Amino acid sequence: DVKVTQSSRYLVKRTGEKVFLECVQDMDHENMFWYRQDPGLGLRLIYFSYDVKMKEKGDIPEGYSVSREKKERFSLILESASTNQTSMYLCASTPGAGPGTQYFGPGTRLTVL
Amino acid sequence: GNSVTQMEGPVTLSEEAFLTINCTYTATGYPSLFWYVQYPGEGLQLLLKATKADDKGSNKGFEATYRKETTSFHLEKGSVQVSDSAVYFCALGKGAQKLVFGQGTRLTINP
Repeated sequence: DVKVTQSSRYLVKRTGEKVFLECVQDMDHENMFWYRQDPGLGLRLIYFSYDVKMKEKGDIPEGYSVSREKKERFSLILESASTNQTSMYLCASTPGAGPGTQYFGPGTRLTVL
Repeated sequence: GNSVTQMEGPVTLSEEAFLTINCTYTATGYPSLFWYVQYPGEGLQLLLKATKADDKGSNKGFEATYRKETTSFHLEKGSVQVSDSAVYFCALGKGAQKLVFGQGTRLTINP
């Protein structure tokens, strides 16, 4: 089975802190994604990556950056956390080309105080 | 641009009731369509999908038919169970691996 893991299930940080969210997939997938999930808004794409060291902005990249140094790992970075970044963050991966099934991690619920 | 609209929730039903969750989409060309489910405390998982017009996706008693003429992909189940309580997301995919999600519909099934 495909497994996507995220470094923390729950995280509490203070305004202005730098926050790292880690995602690892074990199925050699080329494509990885970071979403945030908010009630009534569904999932919104923050960033995605098609390959190592490649990244593209999604719909809401402001205030975030990403890093993909190894194929299996995709990190989301909040450079200076703010209260409006309190949310559930979901990582996903998918193999190959075309709009295929995405495999999701369990999510990280981030609270910024 | 591409977008997905789901029926507003929350939806509350009794066990064994018939379920419909409406989903309509806006897209150029021929997107693939998906239903994902999120059980409490978990990430999303694929429930079913359809890749071309008139295709029917099915899984775990759920069904959805890709209707290009009405740009819809409604989710149905004939007899729901308490274990179906979850949040359901409709999504479309068109090239470049990205998916566009609807806002989600929370379903609660009472015994």
